[in-house]
Amino acid sequence: EIVLTQSPGTLSLSPGERATLSCRASQSVRSSYLAWYQLKPGQAPRLLIYGASSRATDIPGRFSGSGSGTDFTLTISRLEPEDSAVYYCQQYGTSPFTFGPGTKVDIK
Amino acid sequence: EVQLVESGGALVQPGRSLRLSCAASGFTFDDYAMHWVRQVPGKGLEWVSGINWKSSTIIYADSVKGRFTISRDNAKNSLYLQMNSLRIEDTAFYYCARDKNIAAAGPFDYWGQGTLVTVSS
Repeated sequence: EIVLTQSPGTLSLSPGERATLSCRASQSVRSSYLAWYQLKPGQAPRLLIYGASSRATDIPGRFSGSGSGTDFTLTISRLEPEDSAVYYCQQYGTSPFTFGPGTKVDIK
Repeated sequence: EVQLVESGGALVQPGRSLRLSCAASGFTFDDYAMHWVRQVPGKGLEWVSGINWKSSTIIYADSVKGRFTISRDNAKNSLYLQMNSLRIEDTAFYYCARDKNIAAAGPFDYWGQGTLVTVSS
């Protein structure tokens, strides 16, 4: 099973600042099959990024993904108040499709 | 508009069974694989099971293998999760999620709001 580690655990930033979230895998993720999801309380999870760097439908351009192998990054270029959420990475290259423990982003 | 609506969550005793359903609308159901993902309240996400468009590929997490059964009825646009021999650690919100592809290979591009399963004596 591929174990994903996310850092930091919590990020507290102001609107307009840049957020950089890290996801590290215990072994190489096949074909960069790495996704990022946003979870807000009471809402359905939302796919942001897939294939490490492709934005999902209707996702704003301020969200971008990068990385390959075992190291991946989600960047939110200019934080908006509505970006307050928990962000999870997931590898779907190898079953079981594991998730990281999440990074909580707080907007000051 | 893609909609996934889960139902069937309940309070159940350890060792008992429960069947979850997910009603899909707004897309051609048999063009997509489907999955179940769960989240213990206040904790992270755990993928549970996936099924491809024609039910020929079915995969499970080790934590539920042999106890849970995923199935789908394309004529009814519905996904199911039969949960047997429930354990306290199965307590979670259960989400139905659509795979972006026809094979059960991820990622998951649409999710439901979830249904709560509580296993307690």
